Amino acid sequence: QVTLKESGPVLVKPTETLTLTCTVSGFSLTNGRESVSWIRQPPGKALEWLAHIFANDGKSYSASLKSRLTISKDTSKSQVVLTMTNMDPVDTGTYYCAHYVVDAILGHYYMDVWGKGTSVTVS
Amino acid sequence: SSELTQDPAVSVALGQTVRITCQGDSLGRYYANWYQQKPGQAPVLVIYGKINRPSGIPDRFSGSSSGNKASLTITGAQAEDEADYYCNSRDYSGNYLVFGGGTKLTVL
Repeated sequence: QVTLKESGPVLVKPTETLTLTCTVSGFSLTNGRESVSWIRQPPGKALEWLAHIFANDGKSYSASLKSRLTISKDTSKSQVVLTMTNMDPVDTGTYYCAHYVVDAILGHYYMDVWGKGTSVTVS
Repeated sequence: SSELTQDPAVSVALGQTVRITCQGDSLGRYYANWYQQKPGQAPVLVIYGKINRPSGIPDRFSGSSSGNKASLTITGAQAEDEADYYCNSRDYSGNYLVFGGGTKLTVL
């Protein structure tokens, strides 16, 4: 059974760096068809994809936030870490990590299991 | 701004059929996925790869697409289907993921 759990600070100050950890189980961070994505959601607003990291350590970032984001993984701990620099009150919201399945042959790219999310307030 | 466009709100009478749409250039290249999100909960995948339903998702949920538009249809909407629905796909370049702005479904 695939599960993901986000952890990190509840409150950060403007200009600080946010570090979030996603601890996964039920799948391997070294499996080529599986990946972890980070998504966020400001209060009352839409989902926004942030980044993902693949088994081969390939990474992809949201174009609008690329300069502020870094994603990495520690396979020995089954963890994926996302850092976001220069936090601002507009970055307040719930941050989710999700299991991202890549099936290039069928053309399927989807997030099938999500963590419960962690709420971050910037103030 | 989102590269995938959804109607902000849709309503349906209990037991009737409703279609939620998502439009974007990338949908002519890549399949759409659909997520259901209820208040205070994480999103749940209901349709992936345009038409596929994960196990546990009722068969009243179905997906389709034509050209640059993807649709999620709920046939015989139930009260528990009231939620926000988001479409998602890759962007046109294939380098990023994008979400639609979401559609709030009200079941009357």
